[in-house]
Amino acid sequence: KNEVEQSPQNLTAQEGEFITINCSYSVGISALHWLQQHPGGGIVSLFMLSSGKKKHGRLIATINIQEKHSSLHITASHPRDSAVYICAVRKGQGGSEKLVFGKGTKLTVNP
Amino acid sequence: DAGVIQSPRHEVTEMGQEVTLRCKPISGHNSLFWYRQTMMRGLELLIYFNNNVPIDDSGMPEDRFSAKMPNASFSTLKIQPSEPRDSAVYFCASSPPGLGHEQFFGPGTRLTVL
Repeated sequence: KNEVEQSPQNLTAQEGEFITINCSYSVGISALHWLQQHPGGGIVSLFMLSSGKKKHGRLIATINIQEKHSSLHITASHPRDSAVYICAVRKGQGGSEKLVFGKGTKLTVNP
Repeated sequence: DAGVIQSPRHEVTEMGQEVTLRCKPISGHNSLFWYRQTMMRGLELLIYFNNNVPIDDSGMPEDRFSAKMPNASFSTLKIQPSEPRDSAVYFCASSPPGLGHEQFFGPGTRLTVL
């Protein structure tokens, strides 16, 4: 079983819809990252969080440490949000910078 | 800032050939990461350096893979000899000093081994 699981694997939405992507992990972590991979292949870091909630524009990321679960929400989705969203965790409480990745969620937003 | 720079962007080679991928991290960043992405396995960490020293190479698949960071502004990932199963996109990323910073990814090198 993968240490980081994402759902759904694929998601299709209509422009304007509220989107939720989920990430569950089975190990102790010091931080969780959400990344966006554009159709052209480039990867951008969206959020890094270890507790609570962060917001940037239409994107909101939450994490529940006790339940080992994080969600990425997109409000008022737009076709330009179409991308693969990847959850990654930094394991343990030590000094390692190593990230373990989920398989990604492919989001398609139709106009 | 120019961001993380990788070269080449695309590489097509024949099985058995040596392949060298190059990365220039963002100036001032002291951690550098090499990742491999495939359809089957997704993104995987191969190795990471901190202050030019390899810290974790547990993801390097086998002895055919080697990575070096001779100075703070340059790193290489070498595959010798290459095999078709090495075909993937290889990303380099860097992050600034201190724990828990976001990582900045390069554009990747798409490697095809025939």
